Amino acid sequence: QTVVTQEPSLTVSPGGTVTLTCASSTGAVTSGYYPNWFQQKPGQAPRALIYSTNNKHSWTPARFSGSLLGGKAALTLSGVQPEDEAEYYCLLYYGGAVVFGGGTKMTVL
Amino acid sequence: EVQLVQSGAEVKKPGESLKISCQGSGYSFTSYWIGWVRQMPGKGLEWMGIIYPGDSDTRYSPSFQGQVTISADKSISTAYLQWSSLKALDTAMYYCARILVEMTTIVVDYWGQGTLVTVSS
Repeated sequence: QTVVTQEPSLTVSPGGTVTLTCASSTGAVTSGYYPNWFQQKPGQAPRALIYSTNNKHSWTPARFSGSLLGGKAALTLSGVQPEDEAEYYCLLYYGGAVVFGGGTKMTVL
Repeated sequence: EVQLVQSGAEVKKPGESLKISCQGSGYSFTSYWIGWVRQMPGKGLEWMGIIYPGDSDTRYSPSFQGQVTISADKSISTAYLQWSSLKALDTAMYYCARILVEMTTIVVDYWGQGTLVTVSS
């Protein structure tokens, strides 16, 4: 059973920068896993932020960026806003199978 | 405008059957996959499976194979998720999402609003 691991929680100050990561139990995450990132606020459906590692959707704020970092997929928020407080999920593709990470609860404080 | 509109909340008893829907509009329904995602109360997202409405090619996550059935009716741009015998543990929010799969990219972009399924005796 493939497991995708994210930080359970992170706290960041408004205006700060934070990086969330997404690791695979199978080894290093590469672009071939096509990492996608999503934001979910309480009571809302998930919202797509990033696809295929580092591509933004038309609605994704510029402060969000995706990358590969140290064998993991990464989501970086630069200049965090209070409205960025949410749960963040990554998704990895395993040649036909798809697995979500467990999610990172990000608090802006 | 791309939209995925899901059917309304359901309250069922254990052992009952259920079929929920996800209707796409604003795009070519047969050119994108539709995925189903479960979110149990207070928990994370779980990938259930996907279907390509163009030819009904369907793939299930191992955890959900045999537990649910995914189908689609391209004539009405609607995908379905169904259970033949619900259990209390099926209580969850279920989301559909649009997925583009190409040689060099996979894009999960638009999501439905979710359908809350409650199974209780």
